[in-house]
Amino acid sequence: GAGVSQSPRYKVAKRGQDVALRCDPISGHVSLFWYQQALGQGPEFLTYFQNEAQLDKSGLPSDRFFAERPEGSVSTLKIQRTQQEDSAVYLCASSLEWQVNSPLHFGNGTRLTVT
Amino acid sequence: GENVEQHPSTLSVQEGDSAVIKCTYSDSASNYFPWYKQELGKGPQLIIDIRSNVGEKKDQRIAVTLNKTAKHFSLHITETQPEDSAVYFCAATTQGGGNNRLAFGKGNQVVVIP
Repeated sequence: GAGVSQSPRYKVAKRGQDVALRCDPISGHVSLFWYQQALGQGPEFLTYFQNEAQLDKSGLPSDRFFAERPEGSVSTLKIQRTQQEDSAVYLCASSLEWQVNSPLHFGNGTRLTVT
Repeated sequence: GENVEQHPSTLSVQEGDSAVIKCTYSDSASNYFPWYKQELGKGPQLIIDIRSNVGEKKDQRIAVTLNKTAKHFSLHITETQPEDSAVYFCAATTQGGGNNRLAFGKGNQVVVIP
């Protein structure tokens, strides 16, 4: 079946621009996560949704980062006034159940480059 | 919060040999430990996981062992093949209490030499 889909695959933004990254989780998956992966590093937690509720946003690096999942399915990560340090791969993952040890299925990510 | 470290950062093995990657964690309350494989340009893929009530788990050529006392767990790949070449990430977390975040290590680059 279809996995987690992320778009766009690549995004180049000039410093100061706003960007929106989309995640289509696996159908029926309750939990949705956003992670940020810098070059040569492991994924770093950003935020977590259970259905439409954002239960943990403590990993968002600044108030320029905003995520939503209004209908409990598709999610959007928005970054306002992008900075060079925002350059990274943004990974979305979903899991069937709310328990954290329900296997996470990752998308292939959006590579954001801020120039 | 949880801190996860992986060693070595890069591992080269001859095809057919075994590869072992060790991961240490800091939070003694952590009780779930997955391993992910990431190929170039793709997202991480879960390959095996272990819970704290189990000491070892095996799935074909892949196994994971957990030492709760020493707070480390290891990934074992036997009879390595070129397609095993990738970056491997370990992670740890505490189930429950509203904590649904995985803490990942920095990754190990495994290179299988044909």
